[in-house]
Amino acid sequence: GDSVTQMEGPVTLSEEAFLTINCTYTATGYPSLFWYVQYPGEGLQLLLKATKADDKGSNKGFEATYRKETTSFHLEKGSVQVSDSAVYFCALSPGGTSYGKLTFGQGTILTVHP
Amino acid sequence: GAGVSQSPSNKVTEKGKDVELRCDPISGHTALYWYRQSLGQGLEFLIYFQGNSAPDKSGLPSDRFSAERTGGSVSTLTIQRTQQEDSAVYLCASSQSGQQATNEKLFFGSGTQLSVL
Repeated sequence: GDSVTQMEGPVTLSEEAFLTINCTYTATGYPSLFWYVQYPGEGLQLLLKATKADDKGSNKGFEATYRKETTSFHLEKGSVQVSDSAVYFCALSPGGTSYGKLTFGQGTILTVHP
Repeated sequence: GAGVSQSPSNKVTEKGKDVELRCDPISGHTALYWYRQSLGQGLEFLIYFQGNSAPDKSGLPSDRFSAERTGGSVSTLTIQRTQQEDSAVYLCASSQSGQQATNEKLFFGSGTQLSVL
C-alpha cells in the first residue's frame, strides 16, 4: 500500500536558518503530494501541494518539488521565523475519487528559537 | 459554518463505555472524512462519506467503530465498548466534492481528544 516517510525530528533551528524536512513516498499510480502544518493549539492546515511530477508547491516562503525519479517531496524554507514553529506532515493522495483519503508521514516537530 | 466544528473537544470515558463524537462540516461540502491521530500510529484515515453514503470504510480499525452522516451534513463517529488503545485525537475534515480538482482542499476541524481510562 501507499506510505510516506518523513525525516525524524524534532528539528531545532535558530531564526533565519535554512530549513529542510525530507519526505519520501511509495505509491502506485500518480499521487498528489501535500505538506500540512499543525500550529500549537490549532487544527491541521494545508501548507502547499503538488499534483504531478516536477510541480513545485509554494506558500508562506515554503517550497517543495514533486520528484518522481526520487519519489520525494522535501520541504524547504530559506529563512525560518519563530512563528514557523509547528508540526509538519507530509501526505499523499491517490487522487481521483479517493482524493481526500490521505496517507500521512509521522510528522516532524520544528522549533525555531530567536 | 465558517469552519469544521467538532464536539466535544475533550472526552474522558471509562473502558467499556460507548462514546459518540460529532462533526459539523463546512456548509455545502459533500465530502467528509474521519481521521485518528495517536502517538503510536500517527495520522490514520478511518472513513469517507460522500453525501450520506460511505464508499470507503477501509480504515475503521474494528467493528466497534461505526459512523453515520445525515442530511448530507452532520456526522457522528461511534465507538462501542471503548478500549484504552482507542485513546487518540479524532479529526474530522470536509471538502467541496471529494474529487481531484484544482481548488479541492480538505479543511480539518480541531479534533476531539478521547481519553479512555
